[in-house]
Amino acid sequence: DAGVIQSPRHEVTEMGQEVTLRCKPISGHDYLFWYRQTMMRGLELLIYFNNNVPIDDSGMPEDRFSAKMPNASFSTLKIQPSEPRDSAVYFCASRLGQGAGGYTFGSGTRLTVV
Amino acid sequence: QKEVEQNSGPLSVPEGAIASLNCTYSDRGSQSFFWYRQYSGKSPELIMSIYSNGDKEDGRFTAQLNKASQYVSLLIRDSQPSDSATYLCAVKANAGGTSYGKLTFGQGTILTVHP
Repeated sequence: DAGVIQSPRHEVTEMGQEVTLRCKPISGHDYLFWYRQTMMRGLELLIYFNNNVPIDDSGMPEDRFSAKMPNASFSTLKIQPSEPRDSAVYFCASRLGQGAGGYTFGSGTRLTVV
Repeated sequence: QKEVEQNSGPLSVPEGAIASLNCTYSDRGSQSFFWYRQYSGKSPELIMSIYSNGDKEDGRFTAQLNKASQYVSLLIRDSQPSDSATYLCAVKANAGGTSYGKLTFGQGTILTVHP
């Protein structure tokens, strides 16, 4: 089991550029979550999917953020255009089913927008 | 009121002592509660889960849940320097709503265990 795989691990980009973060959940997991972590706000849920369908995107900050899950093994989080305040660590996590149990997190992508 | 609140910390304890981490939550219908440990620069790692009132022990870790008081705690016995990390309390949304399955995290408590 390779765990949840995120790429890239680090991303530095200039303000106004498009940024795409990628996630491969654990095989067989049917829930996928995107979180953002900052010192000020902690871990915030941005959006989550169940069976590739977005269920709750109320945490997406604004229209500059979009997420897709075209199939069970891949998801993207896109920021366009990026702003310095988007600098954070973005985590993807996955889980199996609606039963008890927590998530498994990926290693995260540290995004810096300059 | 925040949905999940943790004692602000940072918390510093000597090696071998008991570290006590506390968490309160606002959704009375919540059913599942978790403690994650996050080392600096790493991702959160699940260390304990608890679903019923009372205590649950796993090695040096004990989770305590009191649903009437909407309170969850984590005790770490015989604390070691390797326990130094940020500890995150997480609560799973109540069943039946569109947010079922969603975990809401507290801000975290930084624990330092000094030799």
